[in-house]
Amino acid sequence: GEDVEQSLFLSVREGDSSVINCTYTDSSSTYLYWYKQEPGAGLQLLTYIFSNMDMKQDQRLTVLLNKKDKHLSLRIADTQTGDSAIYFCAEVSGGSYIPTFGRGTSLIVHP
Amino acid sequence: SQTIHQWPATLVQPVGSPLSLECTVEGTSNPNLYWYRQAAGRGLQLLFYSVGIGQISSEVPQNLSASRPQDRQFILSSKKLLLSDSGFYLCAWRKQGANTGELFFGEGSRLTVL
Repeated sequence: GEDVEQSLFLSVREGDSSVINCTYTDSSSTYLYWYKQEPGAGLQLLTYIFSNMDMKQDQRLTVLLNKKDKHLSLRIADTQTGDSAIYFCAEVSGGSYIPTFGRGTSLIVHP
Repeated sequence: SQTIHQWPATLVQPVGSPLSLECTVEGTSNPNLYWYRQAAGRGLQLLFYSVGIGQISSEVPQNLSASRPQDRQFILSSKKLLLSDSGFYLCAWRKQGANTGELFFGEGSRLTVL
């Protein structure tokens, strides 16, 4: 079946850029998502990208999609301590209403 | 605007006791509804989803069950809890037919089975 893979941890210094990577296997993915989960809370949609796009930028967030390699990344510029959270990559293919989630990347921001 | 509510937020139950977690969505109609479990240190496991009243699909065989008695109400239940049922339970909804298909999550219910 479909699979979404992420590294489990990322540690960065405050003010640096963070890059969280994700790979997926479903070549028919239509939308790819990044969700943020703060401690003890539910998931919050950060951004999404349609599969025919290469890049999407939203303030400090930049999403890059390499459809050929099935690779998605989330770049957070000027990372702050408030960005510390678990970031989930997810994808859904056309016609499906069940997204496939990665296991999440814990981003730790230290001063 | 749409909102989703889950309760209780925290629950401590003995092994063998029953469970009922409730989820309600407001501000939309005929949503797709989902129950996920997030065990410590793990990703999201889809337990149940529903595309309409009384329509429940189970993804993982276990001692949990789900019901959708009303359009915007989704209930997760168990008759006898196991230690392995401990975890963080998340309800989510999705707009039917939405092109972008994103899920909107509740704040979660943390269940500890002792």
